[in-house]
Amino acid sequence: RKEVEQDPGPFNVPEGATVAFNCTYSNSASQSFFWYRQDCRKEPKLLMSVYSSGNEDGRFTAQLNRASQYISLLIRDSKLSDSATYLCVVTYNTDKLIFGTGTRLQVFP
Amino acid sequence: DTEVTQTPKHLVMGMTNKKSLKCEQHMGHRAMYWYKQKAKKPPELMFVYSYEKLSINESVPSRFSPECPNSSLLNLHLHALQPEDSALYLCASSPTGLAGTPEQYFGPGTRLTVT
Repeated sequence: RKEVEQDPGPFNVPEGATVAFNCTYSNSASQSFFWYRQDCRKEPKLLMSVYSSGNEDGRFTAQLNRASQYISLLIRDSKLSDSATYLCVVTYNTDKLIFGTGTRLQVFP
Repeated sequence: DTEVTQTPKHLVMGMTNKKSLKCEQHMGHRAMYWYKQKAKKPPELMFVYSYEKLSINESVPSRFSPECPNSSLLNLHLHALQPEDSALYLCASSPTGLAGTPEQYFGPGTRLTVT
């Protein structure tokens, strides 16, 4: 079983739609959780950290459920510019980021 | 400013060449990382430097040799590479070198082609 699992997609959604991505992790000792976004042929960029209390940044909301070892990202009012691959990332007691394989989102007009 | 810079942007090298990739950050971050990323795959960690000391080597072949001259700079020396080493090489930094590290910030990468 992979340490961090994501649905690879692609998710094809129209502009204005709400879309949700899920991610599960296998190590219950995981400490920190992030969503990164990666555009084609570019570097990953930190989108947001994920906290147990949930956090929101504009149209983006991230949730963490430690009991179920599950992380989610909700994007409201999708824009064309949201098209990218979204990487779920987990760390535990090391300096390593453990990446999921990414979920590809394509927003169409 | 969360900028990590990398040079060169693109590099084509033969299997007998020696070249170096460079990474720089001026955010006062204490941990720096090298990753390799193949198409449609997530980044794979290669090396971690924490407070200028090599703390993690993910069993990377010796044809890749990292160097951390100071807290702002990270190099990756390349020698006798194979075509399968062609990939995007990403540098990242994070504020501390502690376990359970906070977020990492990535540079734009060097796209390497080995011929």
